[in-house]
Amino acid sequence: QKEVEQDPGPLSVPEGAIVSLNCTYSNSAFQYFMWYRQYSRKGPELLMYTYSSGNKEDGRFTAQVDKSSKYISLFIRDSQPSDSATYLCAMSGLNDYKLSFGAGTTVTVRA
Amino acid sequence: NAGVMQNPRHLVRRRGQEARLRCSPMKGHSHVYWYRQLPEEGLKFMVYLQKENIIDESGMPKERFSAEFPKEGPSILRIQQVVRGDSAAYFCASSPEGQGGQPQHFGDGTRLSIL
Repeated sequence: QKEVEQDPGPLSVPEGAIVSLNCTYSNSAFQYFMWYRQYSRKGPELLMYTYSSGNKEDGRFTAQVDKSSKYISLFIRDSQPSDSATYLCAMSGLNDYKLSFGAGTTVTVRA
Repeated sequence: NAGVMQNPRHLVRRRGQEARLRCSPMKGHSHVYWYRQLPEEGLKFMVYLQKENIIDESGMPKERFSAEFPKEGPSILRIQQVVRGDSAAYFCASSPEGQGGQPQHFGDGTRLSIL
């Protein structure tokens, strides 16, 4: 079993739809949770960063963490074609510096 | 550009040659991490360095791979006697501090192709 599992997708949604992305994990020591966006042939770009359980909102993006279920989510509201990318979840422990990544979900937003 | 700079962006080597990948961290960042990304897989941690020190190289293959972050200049990931299986995208990230939970900022990677 992988330490971080991410829905493989790919996802294709019409412009304006809500995109829902998820990851599950097995390591209960994870405390920090991140979402990165990666465009083709580019590096991962940090989108959202949360600590422990709860919700965090930033513009059209909402990140949720449910540590009791070992489940994290990213929601993108009013999706745009420019949101078409691969989304990677990543996490680390309290005293850890290495990030554990999901395999990524490729999202296409159709105009 | 104050972001993480990696070069070259693309590198082609023949089997048995050496590959040297360079990474300059963001301004003000003294902690550097290298990750490898294979097709259809997430990024895998390789090594964590501070200036002149390797802190954790638990993700590095035991042979042929080495990394350094000298007092002056960029961090270098060196792969000796490359094989086809080394073909991947190699990403460097940096952070201002090294303790747990520090957000890491990534460069655009070096895509290594082995002929």
